[in-house]
Amino acid sequence: DSGVTQTPKHLITATGQRVTLRCSPRSGDLSVYWYQQSLDQGLQFLIQYYNGEERAKGNILERFSAQQFPDLHSELNLSSLELGDSALYFCASSLGSGATEAFFGQGTRLTVV
Amino acid sequence: GQQVMQIPQYQHVQEGEDFTTYCNSSTTLSNIQWYKQRPGGHPVFLIQLVKSGEVKKQKRLTFQFGEAKKNSSLHITATQTTDVGTYFCAGLSGGSYIPTFGRGTSLIVHP
Repeated sequence: DSGVTQTPKHLITATGQRVTLRCSPRSGDLSVYWYQQSLDQGLQFLIQYYNGEERAKGNILERFSAQQFPDLHSELNLSSLELGDSALYFCASSLGSGATEAFFGQGTRLTVV
Repeated sequence: GQQVMQIPQYQHVQEGEDFTTYCNSSTTLSNIQWYKQRPGGHPVFLIQLVKSGEVKKQKRLTFQFGEAKKNSSLHITATQTTDVGTYFCAGLSGGSYIPTFGRGTSLIVHP
C-alpha cells in the first residue's frame, strides 16, 4: 500500500460527459502529480500541484483541469469526454517538489463509451 | 523536448535467465529513476541514480547510470516469476523536476 488513495477505481461514462477523479496523497506529502497511462502512449505527465499551487504542466488537454485543496487532496476534472480519453489515470505524491521518489495510487480506470 | 527511449518493449525469458532493459535520453540527465509496475498494478519506485557511472544493487537487480548521464540500464540476474511486470525508467534533465517516463519494458517470465 503506497498510502496514496484514488477514487473511484473504475468509471464508465458516455462521450460528452464530465467526471471528477479524486486523490488523497500520502500523509505529509505536499506534491501531487497526475498521469495518464494508455497502451499506445505510455505514462504521460499531466499536471503537478505543490502545496495548493500549480507547479508544472505537461500534456494536459484544455478539457482537463485539476486543483489541490487546502487539505492537500487533489481532483482531476475531465470534461467533454471523448473515446480517446479512455485510460488509466494515476495520481502520485511526493514529499517535495523536486526530483524525489513518487508514490503512486492504484489508479482510476476510465472507460468512455 | 526531452525524450527518453526504452528498449526492448517486450522481453520473454525462461525462469532463471537474465534480463536487461536499456534507457536512453536525448539530453543529459540530472538523475534517473526506475519504477516497476506489476500487471494490473501501479508503478512502484525502485531506485534513483544521480552520479555519473553510478552502480547500485538491490538483491538480483543491478542499476547503472552511464558516464555521460544519458543512458541507464537495469539488469536482473536469474529471473523469477515474481519479476514479471513492466519496468520504467524516468529521467530528469535541465531545470525540470518532472521526470519523463520511458515507454517501459514488459518482462514476461516463463516457468
